Amino acid sequence: SQQGEEDPQALSIQEGENATMNCSYKTSINNLQWYRQNSGRGLVHLILIRSNEREKHSGRLRVTLDTSKKSSSLLITASRAADTASYFCATDFKGNRDDKIIFGKGTRLHILP
Amino acid sequence: DAGVTQSPTHLIKTRGQQVTLRCSPKSGHDTVSWYQQALGQGPQFIFQYYEEEERQRGNFPDRFSGHQFPNYSSELNVNALLLGDSALYLCASSSTGTSGRQYFGPGTRLTVT
Repeated sequence: SQQGEEDPQALSIQEGENATMNCSYKTSINNLQWYRQNSGRGLVHLILIRSNEREKHSGRLRVTLDTSKKSSSLLITASRAADTASYFCATDFKGNRDDKIIFGKGTRLHILP
Repeated sequence: DAGVTQSPTHLIKTRGQQVTLRCSPKSGHDTVSWYQQALGQGPQFIFQYYEEEERQRGNFPDRFSGHQFPNYSSELNVNALLLGDSALYLCASSSTGTSGRQYFGPGTRLTVT
């Protein structure tokens, strides 16, 4: 079974608005990552946040992590048409050896012109 | 510096046949992981190779096997193909000790008819 679950499954917003996606997971983690995937192509790494971090920024992206709630959120500010993609969270859970990461089912984001 | 490359891009096979997919990791990476992504789903971990050995394995039958070569490139073999094996197969590479970040290739789209 998948470790992480993204919410919502699909999201449509107007260009320029902010998009927020959430991820919940089941077991304690070493780190959590967010990836983007365009139209069934390869995944692009966005941000990695470690279990002892609470927030990270990268350009228009902001990721938060709440280990007490076993959840993370990805915020994309000032969305653009090019942000239309599927977004996945992936967890590297504690007790897991050697770089195996588990993906959620993803949030499909559609930016409306 | 070439990223992760995969071949072929697309492949059509008949049920019962066998298939081999290939992956070349990013320069400097020694670990290769394979994922299966069904349409509309997140990637599912198949297995990981390091030092030419299978280091971890997900919940996939023995029909799925792999190999890693001395130059760190890798192959994924699937025997006795089923219709349900139709998916995007993703290869990801990483460097041991980098704590989770993986670089993904563009994937191979396998269609089983």
